[in-house]
Amino acid sequence: EAQVTQNPRYLITVTGKKLTVTCSQNMNHEYMSWYRQDPGLGLRQIYYSMNVEVTDKGDVPEGYKVSRKEKRNFPLILESPSPNQTSLYFCASSRGTGDTIYGYTFGSGTRLTVV
Amino acid sequence: DQQVKQNSPSLSVQEGRISILNCDYTNSMFDYFLWYKKYPAEGPTFLISISSIKDKNEDGRFTVFLNKSAKHLSLHIVPSQPGDSAVYFCAAFHSGTYKYIFGTGTRLKVLA
Repeated sequence: EAQVTQNPRYLITVTGKKLTVTCSQNMNHEYMSWYRQDPGLGLRQIYYSMNVEVTDKGDVPEGYKVSRKEKRNFPLILESPSPNQTSLYFCASSRGTGDTIYGYTFGSGTRLTVV
Repeated sequence: DQQVKQNSPSLSVQEGRISILNCDYTNSMFDYFLWYKKYPAEGPTFLISISSIKDKNEDGRFTVFLNKSAKHLSLHIVPSQPGDSAVYFCAAFHSGTYKYIFGTGTRLKVLA
């Protein structure tokens, strides 16, 4: 089954404790992205990647890191989480780079709480 | 600065009638526009897209209209069904920057 798998689904952590949210897709998609969803703000792009070893900042990158060492994986790293990073996070992947973009396939989400 | 705006947080429609969801954008350089549907506790699901060189795209009950001069797009659902009740997000893609920006969403409720 074609899918984007992100783990964990739920995570409660303490301020300052490094964490990684994993994301993997099995569709050989070039384009991958991380979003956070907050009430009244919709989905805001954190980081995106057009292909292996190519990443760039979205609209809200502060406090986050990503890497794209393999095509299928795009982990989101919070080096020192803070309470304002409490949110619902989605990983997404899509075929296409350059002039054409296709619809995303989204993961099921990771609800992160930082206390 | 919100580049993609959905000004109606919610919409209620009777089953069988037309649902019209609206979206405005500010950047005329966007190349593609897309609509997604999201149910609670799930990730968004892609519905339909339109290239900036077109003004209409249709897929079954879903039609997206693009008015470039007004920087406005809309999603029409005809006929609306109770299973269409969800949050709908519009999104815009800019091939120059590869940024993919979402609106804030509109919650649609289809009443049986």
